[in-house]
Amino acid sequence: GIQVEQSPPDLILQEGANSTLRCNFSDSVNNLQWFHQNPWGQLINLFYIPSGTKQNGRLSATTVATERYSLLYISSSQTTDSGVYFCAVDSSNTGKLIFGQGTTLQVKP
Amino acid sequence: DAGVIQSPRHEVTEMGQEVTLRCKPISGHNSLFWYRQTMMRGLELLIYFNNNVPIDDSGMPEDRFSAKMPNASFSTLKIQPSEPRDSAVYFCASRGQNNSPLHFGNGTRLTVT
Repeated sequence: GIQVEQSPPDLILQEGANSTLRCNFSDSVNNLQWFHQNPWGQLINLFYIPSGTKQNGRLSATTVATERYSLLYISSSQTTDSGVYFCAVDSSNTGKLIFGQGTTLQVKP
Repeated sequence: DAGVIQSPRHEVTEMGQEVTLRCKPISGHNSLFWYRQTMMRGLELLIYFNNNVPIDDSGMPEDRFSAKMPNASFSTLKIQPSEPRDSAVYFCASRGQNNSPLHFGNGTRLTVT
């Protein structure tokens, strides 16, 4: 099956810093989503982005489907950005998302 | 829109007991998914339904696990008998048509002692 690799596994930032999280996948995809799992365990849908670029406030994402990777940019990070960021892909167009292992982000005040 | 609703939020039970987790998908969504999250294995898909029909249950770990979707607005995941290694957070998710995002519920944290 498709493999999803996220990097880095852990990231510590000072408040106000910018960061880039990466997601590599091993096959073509119909769907790619980025999620934020907050400290309460909720999985928050950040982006639905099988290709192209999207922006939502301080967050943006780019997926280059032909090269099988996606990037999540966080600018001017805040302590509330802390948590685990997951990339998940669907290669079968069934909605079956396969998750990466996540990037754990800690933003220090 | 109320989102995907799961109950209970927390469940603590003793080994050997039956556990039933419940999920109400977003109205109008025709696909429903059950995931399990553990530290060791991360987020893994257990089973998914399309139009109330189970399509792929290859992720269900053992025969002790079963899932049903009697109608478009309700699904259950049952573990009988439960074991300590079943302790995890169980998520339900739903989506509408193809090429639309998956939406997750808040999960059920199961502890089996």
